This record gives sequence, C-alpha cells and structure tokens, in this order.
Amino acid sequence: DADVTQTPRNRITKTGKRIMLECSQTKGHDRMYWYRQDPGLGLRLIYYSFDVKDINKGEISDGYSVSRQAQAKFSLSLESAIPNQTALYFCATSDYGSGNQPQHFGDGTRLSIL
Amino acid sequence: TQLLEQSPQFLSIQEGENLTVYCNSSSVFSSLQWYRQEPGEGPVLLVTVVTGGEVKKLKRLTFQFGDARKDSSLHITAAQPGDTGLYLCAGDGTGTASKLTFGTGTRLQVTL
Repeated sequence: DADVTQTPRNRITKTGKRIMLECSQTKGHDRMYWYRQDPGLGLRLIYYSFDVKDINKGEISDGYSVSRQAQAKFSLSLESAIPNQTALYFCATSDYGSGNQPQHFGDGTRLSIL
Repeated sequence: TQLLEQSPQFLSIQEGENLTVYCNSSSVFSSLQWYRQEPGEGPVLLVTVVTGGEVKKLKRLTFQFGDARKDSSLHITAAQPGDTGLYLCAGDGTGTASKLTFGTGTRLQVTL
C-alpha cells in the first residue's frame, strides 16, 4: 500500500461547486503539504501543516482552505471552484528534524473545473 | 519570493547521449534537492546537496551544487529510456527543510 494516499485520483466538476481532496499517510510524519502543479510552473505550495494544530498559508492559498483532522490526515477544500483551479494537486509529507528532510508525495489528484 | 528557473524546459535525446539540466536562482539556499517524477506519480527524491561546490554521483547521474549555493546542475551520462521523466530541483531557504521552493521543471524524453 502507498505511504501517502490521495483521493480521489481524478475529479471533474463544475464552476461554483465545493470540492474536497483528501490525503492520508502511514509514514508517521508530522509535516504535511498541499501543492498544485501546472505545466511550466513546477510545484507551488498552497498550504502546509507541521502538526495537528498548525496551519500555514503557502504562496498560492487564495481560494483554498485546509483541515488537519489528525496527524495522518490533511484535506484540501475549494469552497467555490473556478476554471483556473484546474491542475494536478499533490499532497506530501516530511519528517521533523534537522534540515535536508525529503518530502514524500502521493500520486496526485487530477482536477478539472468546467 | 525565491524563484528557481530550470533549463532547458524540454529535452528530447537518443539513448546513449549525455545531457545537463540547470537550476538557477538569485537566492541562496541552505540545501538543494533533486526529484524525478514519472507520469501518474508524485515526485521522488533523487539526491540532496548541502555544501557549496558539492558533487554527488548516483550511478550515471552527477549532481553539483554551485559554490555560492544559488545554482545546481544535473548531468546524465549515457542516457537510457528509463531516465525519461520530469526532473525538479527544490531549494530549502530556511535551513530546516520546512518549506521547499520548487523549480519550473525539465521534461526529459530518451528514445531508442
């Protein structure tokens, strides 16, 4: 089984709909991240959390919200989806410690907003 | 905002050729990571470089961190079809790897 699991893997929805993307991990890591990936732009950080009571905005948080329900679960919501939120979304985790900790990614959710 | 520019954006080569991917910034990073992403999957870490001027080798892949810790390169010798994928550099500006700034990506295709 995957260490970082994202659901759903694909989603097509309409403008204005509320959408939730879920991420769960079995790695026991404290830190969790949500990124979006667009062609030619790499990965951009939306939100991140260092423990259950910690939520931090990334560089592109407008239009998104998150919830860290438990150490193992971190969900991303689009309250009212718009077409320019069409992208590939990734959840990642990392361990707490000194620098150079790698991030471990899920396989992504491909989201299309019509 | 720290930016990491990668070049080239796309690279299509034949098996056996050599190639170099560049990752450049005007900002200093405490460390830099390289990831490879295959279609339908998330990025997977290849290597982390920490010291200015550091060179690390991973089989046919050679990674170098610039002396000023603002840039990095990835050189692949005798590329194989299995090297096909999206290569991403990611810089840690905080020293704690708490947040990474990802590069724009280089998509490599190696054909027979």
